[in-house]
Amino acid sequence: DGGITQSPKYLFRKEGQNVTLSCEQNLNHDAMYWYRQDPGQGLRLIYYSQIVNDFQKGDIAEGYSVSREKKESFPLTVTSAQKNPTAFYLCASSIEGILDYGYTFGSGTRLTVV
Amino acid sequence: AQSVTQPDIHITVSEGASLELRCNYSYGATPYLFWYVQSPGQGLQLLLKYFSGDTLVQGIKGFEAEFKRSQSSFNLRKPSVHWSDAAEYFCAVGAGGNTPLVFGKGTRLSVIA
Repeated sequence: DGGITQSPKYLFRKEGQNVTLSCEQNLNHDAMYWYRQDPGQGLRLIYYSQIVNDFQKGDIAEGYSVSREKKESFPLTVTSAQKNPTAFYLCASSIEGILDYGYTFGSGTRLTVV
Repeated sequence: AQSVTQPDIHITVSEGASLELRCNYSYGATPYLFWYVQSPGQGLQLLLKYFSGDTLVQGIKGFEAEFKRSQSSFNLRKPSVHWSDAAEYFCAVGAGGNTPLVFGKGTRLSVIA
């Protein structure tokens, strides 16, 4: 079955360390997105990519980096520059086309800084 | 730029009662509107979406939503709530063309017996 896989489901990081969250999709979707979710804050856009080898900053990109070397993969690195990285991270993808517009989400990665 | 407001942070309803979750949006052109549901610790699942045409949209799990351009609203309704509907609900607006969606802060629904 097609879908989006985020791994790991839970991740613990020591302060000062970089960590990479994986997001893979086999839906043949063109665009991929990373959101951060905090209690009471909804979803806030970190980065998005509409085509391979191209990506744009979202509203809260500081302290994060991404790459899009393959259509299927859009990993997110949380760097030591991110001041408060503990959160739930959601990856999504979408296909262009008015009838298909809308996201498919992964099941998320919960990152905790210890 | 688009924005979404969900005025209710938390709503509690009795099982079998009707439900309405409010969503107001701000967008200069014709909006693309969505409702998603999230169970604890999970990703979001699409309930329904509106692009054009009939302003009353039917979705999965017995949900429906009505687009009212004059009120900039896209409220979600269900005639009879089941305990399994307890979750967090997000309204979102987009501009089309694979552009990012903007989400509201969510409404948490609790269902009591």
